[in-house]
Amino acid sequence: EVQVVESGGGLVQPGGSLRLSCAASGFSFSDHYMDWVRQAPGKGLEWVARTRNKARSYTTEYAASVKGRFTASRDDSKNSLHLQMNSLKSEDTAVYYCARDWQTAMDYWGQGTLVTVSS
Amino acid sequence: QSALTQPASVSGSPGQSITISCTGTSSDVGAYNYVSWYQQHPGKAPKLMIYAVSDRPSGVSNRFSGSKSGNTASLTISGLQAEDEADYYCNSYTTSTSYVFGTGTKVTVL
Repeated sequence: EVQVVESGGGLVQPGGSLRLSCAASGFSFSDHYMDWVRQAPGKGLEWVARTRNKARSYTTEYAASVKGRFTASRDDSKNSLHLQMNSLKSEDTAVYYCARDWQTAMDYWGQGTLVTVSS
Repeated sequence: QSALTQPASVSGSPGQSITISCTGTSSDVGAYNYVSWYQQHPGKAPKLMIYAVSDRPSGVSNRFSGSKSGNTASLTISGLQAEDEADYYCNSYTTSTSYVFGTGTKVTVL
């Protein structure tokens, strides 16, 4: 069974940092691109980042709203995906989802982890 | 990259068909056949319903169908059921090698 499980969310002050993790199982993690998507409270979905696989040199694309502040990475040996978030702002408050990228869509999603940026 | 435009709400009676539009530009929806649709019930993670404009993942009801014309994609739900009441989001790959989601549509079953 395919599963992705996020962790690492919590309360952080503006300007602070937080590292999210996503543990994947039930599929060949190293073959797949992976995505981060977020959803602010009561708002819509916003794509955050996409990390490609080894065949594509692990390159990553970012949304303009997080570029330069967030860094996505992966550890294929541990079937894990990470999102390092720096210089956090109140507008980064959201539930962050990890999703498997398949056929240029997102076919398996975790349940999300809540990040709250507030003083 | 601006969000794709969807109607805020669409409603229908059980058994009816409804269509949700998703309007983008020649840099996203119109550029590739990489439009997907997601269903999200309150407090739950999104679920992939349609990928590559009109393909259904295994396990998704054939009451859900997708199409595209120019810069506008559409999701049609036929034989509307109470369980279809949810938020729906479109998504497109873009010429900037990024993704963009739609603004979201709340579907109400009357």
